[in-house]
Amino acid sequence: RKEVEQDPGPFNVPEGATVAFNCTYSNSASQSFFWYRQDCRKEPKLLMSVYSSGNEDGRFTAQLNRASQYISLLIRDSKLSDSATYLCVVNEGSYDKVIFGPGTSLSVIP
Amino acid sequence: GAVVSQHPSWVICKSGTSVKIECRSLDFQATTMFWYRQFPKQSLMLMATSNEGSKATYEQGVEKDKFLINHASLTLSTLTVTSAHPEDSSFYICSARPTGTAPYEQYFGPGTRLTVT
Repeated sequence: RKEVEQDPGPFNVPEGATVAFNCTYSNSASQSFFWYRQDCRKEPKLLMSVYSSGNEDGRFTAQLNRASQYISLLIRDSKLSDSATYLCVVNEGSYDKVIFGPGTSLSVIP
Repeated sequence: GAVVSQHPSWVICKSGTSVKIECRSLDFQATTMFWYRQFPKQSLMLMATSNEGSKATYEQGVEKDKFLINHASLTLSTLTVTSAHPEDSSFYICSARPTGTAPYEQYFGPGTRLTVT
């Protein structure tokens, strides 16, 4: 089983739609969780951290379920500019390194 | 703040030659830097963790003699791809963790696209 798995995608949605991405991780000792966004041929950029209580940043909502080892990202009122690959990222506690999921591609269509 | 640069941004080289990629933290010191590789339509794969003043820690399956990492100062790490082959063609991205911050805090460079002909 891969350490971090994501919906395979791609997701093609119309502008204004709500879309949800799922991510699961295998290491129950994982401590920190993030969603990154990567545009084509660019470096990944931090979108938001994911907290146990869930957190919201504008149109973006992230949820964490430690018992199920599951993370989600919800995007409301999709914009054309949201088109990108969304990467689920997990940090394994005392180690420096983070593990990137394979990413889910989103295309928002006019 | 927290800007990381990479140089070159792209490079084309012939098979058998060596290529050096630089990663610099411009406005902060970074005891730890990371090197990733990303093949088309795949996610980032960590190659190695570079610590200033000590040997890099390589991930399983990454040849340390082929991918030489030097982290000689708190603002510079270099990755040298030795005897490059076409299968080494990839997008190489570094990240830097500001000294004294949480383990997961990283800032990414813009990446270097390597093409080996």
